Amino acid sequence: QKEVEQDPGPLSVPEGAIVSLNCTYSNSAFQYFMWYRQYSRKGPELLMYTYSSGNKEDGRFTAQVDKSSKYISLFIRDSQPSDSATYLCAMSAYNQGGKLIFGQGTELSVKP
Amino acid sequence: GAVVSQHPSWVICKSGTSVKIECRSLDFQATTMFWYRQFPKQSLMLMATSNEGSKATYEQGVEKDKFLINHASLTLSTLTVTSAHPEDSSFYICSASGGQLGGEQYFGPGTRLTVT
Repeated sequence: QKEVEQDPGPLSVPEGAIVSLNCTYSNSAFQYFMWYRQYSRKGPELLMYTYSSGNKEDGRFTAQVDKSSKYISLFIRDSQPSDSATYLCAMSAYNQGGKLIFGQGTELSVKP
Repeated sequence: GAVVSQHPSWVICKSGTSVKIECRSLDFQATTMFWYRQFPKQSLMLMATSNEGSKATYEQGVEKDKFLINHASLTLSTLTVTSAHPEDSSFYICSASGGQLGGEQYFGPGTRLTVT
């Protein structure tokens, strides 16, 4: 079993839809949770960073962390074609030297 | 967010030669930098972690003599692929962290290496 599981998709939605992306994990020591967006042939871009459980909102993006269920989510409201990319969840524990453990990435396509 | 640059963005080299890739944090001091490799349609694979002024820590299966990492300053780390072979062709990406363990990591734009 992988430490972090993420549905690779692909996920296709119409423009304006609400997108829900999810990851589950097995290591209860994870405390830091991140979502990255990666366009083809580019480096990942940090979208959301959350410490421990709770919600965080930034514009059209909302990140949720439920440590009791070992489950994190990223919601994208009013999705746009420019949101079409691969979304990677990543997490780390305090005692792992900052090493990130990534999910497989979910490929999202937003159709006009 | 913080900015990390990589140079070159794309390089083609002949088999047997060495290639150096630079990673720079432009607006913050990066006490820790990470080097990743990514194959098409796959997630990032961590190769090594480097702390300024220390030897890099390599992940299992990564040849340290082949992938030389230097982190000489708080804003620069380099990855040298020595005696490159076609199987080393890949997308190499660095990331940098400001120092807080578990803190945000910011990624560079990546370097596409093609070995002919």
